[in-house]
Amino acid sequence: AQTVTQSQPEMSVQEAETVTLSCTYDTSESNYYLFWYKQPPSRQMILVIRQEAYKQQNATENRFSVNFQKAAKSFSLKISDSQLGDTAMYFCAFMKHDYNTDKLIFGTGTRLQVFP
Amino acid sequence: DAGVTQSPTHLIKTRGQQVTLRCSPKSGHDTVSWYQQALGQGPQFIFQYYEEEERQRGNFPDRFSGHQFPNYSSELNVNALLLGDSALYLCASSLSEEQFFGPGTRLTVL
Repeated sequence: AQTVTQSQPEMSVQEAETVTLSCTYDTSESNYYLFWYKQPPSRQMILVIRQEAYKQQNATENRFSVNFQKAAKSFSLKISDSQLGDTAMYFCAFMKHDYNTDKLIFGTGTRLQVFP
Repeated sequence: DAGVTQSPTHLIKTRGQQVTLRCSPKSGHDTVSWYQQALGQGPQFIFQYYEEEERQRGNFPDRFSGHQFPNYSSELNVNALLLGDSALYLCASSLSEEQFFGPGTRLTVL
């Protein structure tokens, strides 16, 4: 069975600074996807960034980038130039690569507070 | 595109009652997944529907059941509600690996 672990329950960062959120996972699968989702107080889960395991290049989406270490089963999220709107719960999630859409397995989340 | 919509937004029930939650997927999406998110936790997979059939199921009791309609919308039914069923219920639709989430239904069981 796959598991996802987020060891940082809470993080804080000053506006315009950089913060890194950690995630580790365990799986015996060789082909899978990893995701970071953001859940603001409005509750809507929003996809921030995704990584396909077979791709060695780390994914980047504007101010968001990941450090994907497949051998170490580590998938951290770096947020550059933090903004007040980045304040939210961040969830790391794993999905097995299948012909069909598979289920997402989530970590317990990291609460990020960006302060002025 | 309205995205994924869920109804109702909030719901309060008492123990032993039954509840039905509804989800309309994003336009063009044929797969609907349901997740339960307890307070302070990550979402837990309940089940997934595709072509009106339950394709996968998580570790939830038979009190949790669902349905998908020909227009791909879906319902989640929970019978004999327990206090522990209080949670945010999230619906997600997909056409490929990316799942788009609705705003959720907050269920409180008293």
